[in-house]
Amino acid sequence: SQQGEEDPQALSIQEGENATMNCSYKTSINNLQWYRQNSGRGLVHLILIRSNEREKHSGRLRVTLDTSKKSSSLLITASRAADTASYFCATVGTGANSKLTFGKGITLSVRP
Amino acid sequence: DAMVIQNPRYQVTQFGKPVTLSCSQTLNHNVMYWYQQKSSQAPKLLFHYYDKDFNNEADTPDNFQSRRPNTSFCFLDIRSPGLGDAAMYLCATSRDLVSETQYFGPGTRLLVL
Repeated sequence: SQQGEEDPQALSIQEGENATMNCSYKTSINNLQWYRQNSGRGLVHLILIRSNEREKHSGRLRVTLDTSKKSSSLLITASRAADTASYFCATVGTGANSKLTFGKGITLSVRP
Repeated sequence: DAMVIQNPRYQVTQFGKPVTLSCSQTLNHNVMYWYQQKSSQAPKLLFHYYDKDFNNEADTPDNFQSRRPNTSFCFLDIRSPGLGDAAMYLCATSRDLVSETQYFGPGTRLLVL
C-alpha cells in the first residue's frame, strides 16, 4: 500500500513550542504533500515536496523528505493555539495512474 | 473568496432514501474528486473526473454515483444510503494532473437515520 503512516497519532504541546510530525511510506513516490484539517472542516493544502527535493519551507513550516528512508517530517515552529488541527501526509506514487493517498493523520493540540 | 463550495454543509437522510450532494468550483480546474472520510480516518477517494472522463476507484460501491454536467459542478449521488454511509464527504479539485495540489471544499456531513 502507498498509504503514509503518521507518527505520533496525537501530539499535545504548549503554545510557543515546536511541533514535529513524521510520516513514513512504503513505495516510491512522485511527491509527498501535507494537509491540515480543522475539526469538521475540509482539508487545506500546506506544502508539497517532490521526490528530488530534500527540504522546503513555508512560513513557520519546514518539511523534509528522505527518500532513502521513505520518510518525511513536518516541523511547525513557534506553535500557536490556532495550529490545533489534524495533519495528514499524502503521497502520490510514480505509476501512471497514481492517486493521492492519505495517511490516518496526527491530531495536534496546542495549549494556550 | 470561496473556491470550492459544497452544499449542503449538513445533510440528514433516511435509510434507503436517495440523496445528492453538490460541489461547485470557481477555479476552472479540470479535475474534480469526491472523498469519503469517516471519523478519525483518512479521506478515501471514491472517484474523480478528469474533464468529462469519469474514473471510479475499484472498491467504490455501486451505490455511489457521480455526475459532472459542466466544468464547475460535480454531484455525488447515493442511491440507497445505509447506516455505514454516514460520513463527511469532501469534494476537491486540481488544475490538471492528478499528482498536483488539491483544493478541498468544507465538506458535507451526511447523517443517515
